[in-house]
Amino acid sequence: GAVVSQHPSWVICKSGTSVKIECRSLDFQATTMFWYRQFPKQSLMLMATSNEGSKATYEQGVEKDKFLINHASLTLSTLTVTSAHPEDSSFYICSARDSGLASTDTQYFGPGTRLTVL
Amino acid sequence: AQTVTQSQPEMSVQEAETVTLSCTYDTSESDYYLFWYKQPPSRQMILVIRQEAYKQQNATENRFSVNFQKAAKSFSLKISDSQLGDAAMYFCASGGGADGLTFGKGTHLIIQP
Repeated sequence: GAVVSQHPSWVICKSGTSVKIECRSLDFQATTMFWYRQFPKQSLMLMATSNEGSKATYEQGVEKDKFLINHASLTLSTLTVTSAHPEDSSFYICSARDSGLASTDTQYFGPGTRLTVL
Repeated sequence: AQTVTQSQPEMSVQEAETVTLSCTYDTSESDYYLFWYKQPPSRQMILVIRQEAYKQQNATENRFSVNFQKAAKSFSLKISDSQLGDAAMYFCASGGGADGLTFGKGTHLIIQP
């Protein structure tokens, strides 16, 4: 149980284009999902908190107009990197908090998406 | 605001031996959780162990246990009987509730056969 998927696992795009990354909780409902970014040989940095049916909450320094987040259902959150540039190249990881086990406060992580912007 | 500090960039241990990874944290929250995650080369984050801050008893999961010192804000991970499959990056994290996690910089664990 508690499986989170991400799609795509790897994407290469040209500078100036937009890329959408999907995060799905496969066997549980998640009212809250989180998006993290991990640069090579570094730790995970929280970008934003995605709440089903409401606007995302962004961490300080994260451009909300560049990283669009939509959480339209209890099992799906999407991150769209708009007008991507080479400096946006990174590993993007989502996690989902099991609503049914909210008291445990455990986040289950997706396998990540490697974005390369040429 | 929360901060998590892992002061050991890399640790090495002989197979079957015991190793302890250090972690200190700082938080203004009164109710929080602490976690250790493992990230192998596949980069999939795997939950190793979690600790509720309000519980005094140290969490254990098979060969993995923690030493939680709340007053000192310390949360170390002990791995007993180290196995080759334990080799990975280990991240300490704090958080809880509707908030995302704050991670330390990680410790690269090497298992010597």
